[in-house]
Amino acid sequence: GAVVSQHPSRVICKSGTSVKIECRSLDFQATTMFWYRQFPKQSLMLMATSNEGSKATYEQGVEKDKFLINHASLTLSTLTVTSAHPEDSSFYICSARVPGQGTYEQYFGPGTRLTVT
Amino acid sequence: QKEVEQDPGPLSVPEGAIVSLNCTYSNSAFQYFMWYRQYSRKGPELLMYTYSSGNKEDGRFTAQVDKSSKYISLFIRDSQPSDSATYLCAMSGGYQKVTFGIGTKLQVIP
Repeated sequence: GAVVSQHPSRVICKSGTSVKIECRSLDFQATTMFWYRQFPKQSLMLMATSNEGSKATYEQGVEKDKFLINHASLTLSTLTVTSAHPEDSSFYICSARVPGQGTYEQYFGPGTRLTVT
Repeated sequence: QKEVEQDPGPLSVPEGAIVSLNCTYSNSAFQYFMWYRQYSRKGPELLMYTYSSGNKEDGRFTAQVDKSSKYISLFIRDSQPSDSATYLCAMSGGYQKVTFGIGTKLQVIP
């Protein structure tokens, strides 16, 4: 399967600061990447779809000014959590869709554990 | 009613057992059905996907889809302790966003 990396794997930040998470497709070019949140004992929730060279599409209820997504190249998408608060603490996971395939074939990064104190 | 229902478990089985994991769904538009394995504190790993109804086999894993009943299954033969993980079912219409189940936690006991 395709390989997706994510950095950092975990981060602790103070309330009010911003945090950037990187998602990279290592062995394929991903025109589309996805950002998810996962809370304990809950389903993966799609936050936004990131398309290379265009604005991200956010799911209903996700604040686009708080969760800034940039997909500047075919192998890199970034998620910046701005003015983080304790309720933003979660497990953030990105995925990348294989070119030419649908959303049924997407590969996930290892995730980033964000803790806001 | 949730679009995808999955029993969170936990499900404990002895090593070597056949494991059956299941999901039901309500959206008739789903055409693709996926199974992911997620180890603790890691991202999900795609095991396999199937299109429409039928079976698909990959090694010790068999995925089954019954669209008439809106029911999908994943069977694991000769289960191993390394299979201990959370298994997520997921579904989509193809190019639309994926809807995930809550995941079933599986423990294979040596």
